[in-house]
Amino acid sequence: DVKVTQSSRYLVKRTGEKVFLECVQDMDHENMFWYRQDPGLGLRLIYFSYDVKMKEKGDIPEGYSVSREKKERFSLILESASTNQTSMYLCASTGHNGTGNYEQYFGPGTRLTVT
Amino acid sequence: GQQVMQIPQYQHVQEGEDFTTYCNSSTTLSNIQWYKQRPGGHPVFLIQLVKSGEVKKQKRLTFQFGEAKKNSSLHITATQTTDVGTYFCAGLFGNEKLTFGTGTRLTIIP
Repeated sequence: DVKVTQSSRYLVKRTGEKVFLECVQDMDHENMFWYRQDPGLGLRLIYFSYDVKMKEKGDIPEGYSVSREKKERFSLILESASTNQTSMYLCASTGHNGTGNYEQYFGPGTRLTVT
Repeated sequence: GQQVMQIPQYQHVQEGEDFTTYCNSSTTLSNIQWYKQRPGGHPVFLIQLVKSGEVKKQKRLTFQFGEAKKNSSLHITATQTTDVGTYFCAGLFGNEKLTFGTGTRLTIIP
């Protein structure tokens, strides 16, 4: 079974703090993604990565950065957390699932609250 | 930018009634995928549609991809309480980045 894990399920940080969200996948997938999920807005792509040390901006990259030093690990960084970054953060990796489908596998999510 | 619109945002149905959610894109999609997210859970892949006019079934779920590859629908027949959750479509526009719809949250009234 593909496994995508995230470092924390719940996180509370103060405004201005630097926040690291870690994601690890065990399927040797090349592509990894960070989304945030907010009510009524669905999943919005923050950043993605096609390979080690490679990153691409998604639809809402402002206020975020990422790091991909190893293939299995993709980190999301909030340089200076703000209250509007309170959200559910979902990491995903993609690969073929053996039936010809190209599928995204999601981690359990990190619910971040910035106070 | 590329967008995938999904309606309705919410749907409340009596148990046993049918349910449908629709996705639309202004540009042609390479393929479309559907995901289900249970309350408190994360999105889980359901199916992928690739061909124009394709129809796939999974038990009570029927997925369709439009002839122009710009729209798709998910229809659930005779809903059950286990169908509760948010259903997302996600379109692929030719690269490997999926664009998700806003989701339809389905609640079942027993």
